[in-house]
Amino acid sequence: GESVGLHLPTLSVQEGDNSIINCAYSNSASDYFIWYKQESGKGPQFIIDIRSNMDKRQGQRVTVLLNKTVKHLSLQIAATQPGDSAVYFCAETDDYKLSFGAGTTVTVRA
Amino acid sequence: GAGVSQSPSNKVTEKGKDVELRCDPISGHTALYWYRQSLGQGLEFLIYFQGNSAPDKSGLPSDRFSAERTGGSVSTLTIQRTQQEDSAVYLCASSLGGGRSNQPQHFGDGTRLSIL
Repeated sequence: GESVGLHLPTLSVQEGDNSIINCAYSNSASDYFIWYKQESGKGPQFIIDIRSNMDKRQGQRVTVLLNKTVKHLSLQIAATQPGDSAVYFCAETDDYKLSFGAGTTVTVRA
Repeated sequence: GAGVSQSPSNKVTEKGKDVELRCDPISGHTALYWYRQSLGQGLEFLIYFQGNSAPDKSGLPSDRFSAERTGGSVSTLTIQRTQQEDSAVYLCASSLGGGRSNQPQHFGDGTRLSIL
């Protein structure tokens, strides 16, 4: 069977290493997915999105992977920096209402 | 460019009082959303506006909550007779298109509401 990354509530990563944040979604009808970053005292900040007709999308230092078969989403951050420390949420929708995952707190070690 | 602006950033009030929260979306964004983020819980959807109309109010927790949007721009969320369980961060988001347009929602920094 295929290996799927486990969602972890916290992730500690060494500065300069790559980070992988996993998210399992529940609605098989969801066709649009977004990753957000939320720093303390701020609102969620858009990072990257992906539509269900794609399985991979790349941005600046970030890559989102979508596996619809097992309803799994991941965010990869290359060369993690101290400024990447935050809570990361995945969100899914099949219309306009976003449903958010539980969030993963990423801490970058110097 | 200017993002979504919310005011006040913090609000402390006594139980039973009414509060009004304001959201100024990104210019040109026709869709506007309110969400609530409580400690230990995720973000929950409250209401969606397309222009000045609110086709989906399904997330409003009770009839003490209401919202309006005027001129296709600024929105206010009103909570009447506040209760302690209303304490949360109220977040507003806007997007270029609504419905199934698959446009990203951009959030403001929220109003932190504390009910004493």
